Amino acid sequence: ETGVTQTPRHLVMGMTNKKSLKCEQHLGHNAMYWYKQSAKKPLELMFVYSLEERVENNSVPSRFSPECPNSSHLFLHLHTLQPEDSALYLCASSQDFSGFVSETQYFGPGTRLLVL
Amino acid sequence: GENVEQHPSTLSVQEGDSAVIKCTYSDSASNYFPWYKQELGKGPQLIIDIRSNVGEKKDQRIAVTLNKTAKHFSLHITETQPEDSAVYFCAARTRGNQFYFGTGTSLTVIP
Repeated sequence: ETGVTQTPRHLVMGMTNKKSLKCEQHLGHNAMYWYKQSAKKPLELMFVYSLEERVENNSVPSRFSPECPNSSHLFLHLHTLQPEDSALYLCASSQDFSGFVSETQYFGPGTRLLVL
Repeated sequence: GENVEQHPSTLSVQEGDSAVIKCTYSDSASNYFPWYKQELGKGPQLIIDIRSNVGEKKDQRIAVTLNKTAKHFSLHITETQPEDSAVYFCAARTRGNQFYFGTGTSLTVIP
């Protein structure tokens, strides 16, 4: 286990639903990330939080809304998704974002999302 | 921005043979190169990494080499075992602490 947990592991939702993905890290890290993993494509960075402040938002559609209430928890709120949003959503954490301490990222197992 | 290319996309080797996966990157400012292993149903796990001031790093059966001039780095797995079967990803960290990932290599070790 990497110390990063994600729930749920699988999610099926309609395009009109609202759901949330949860990530929790037990490593005492200060930075957390959301990635999207689609078949045959590189991992796509969606959001980065450092010390609970959003530092990166890579042109992600507004139907994805992140929330970081504290340094151990990260949420991804989903609403009015499209079928092309079906993918594996991975959460990761690192000691910090600057890389001065450690740039190693630890990934959770992911949430497999299917949008119908 | 950075562009990371990874080859091959699939690789099959006999148990005991070596496997080599190669990645190239485009941004000369990239300075950190991790390799991840992703098993079915799990997230990527770091298996080895290398920084730009080092040319080679080894950890038991796994090694990574870096050629900064040519902007490529490679993962070498020796004496492969069936449990090495997985998808392997390379990545490069560049300016702004952004990570760019390769498209992955699906490695199958045939017993």
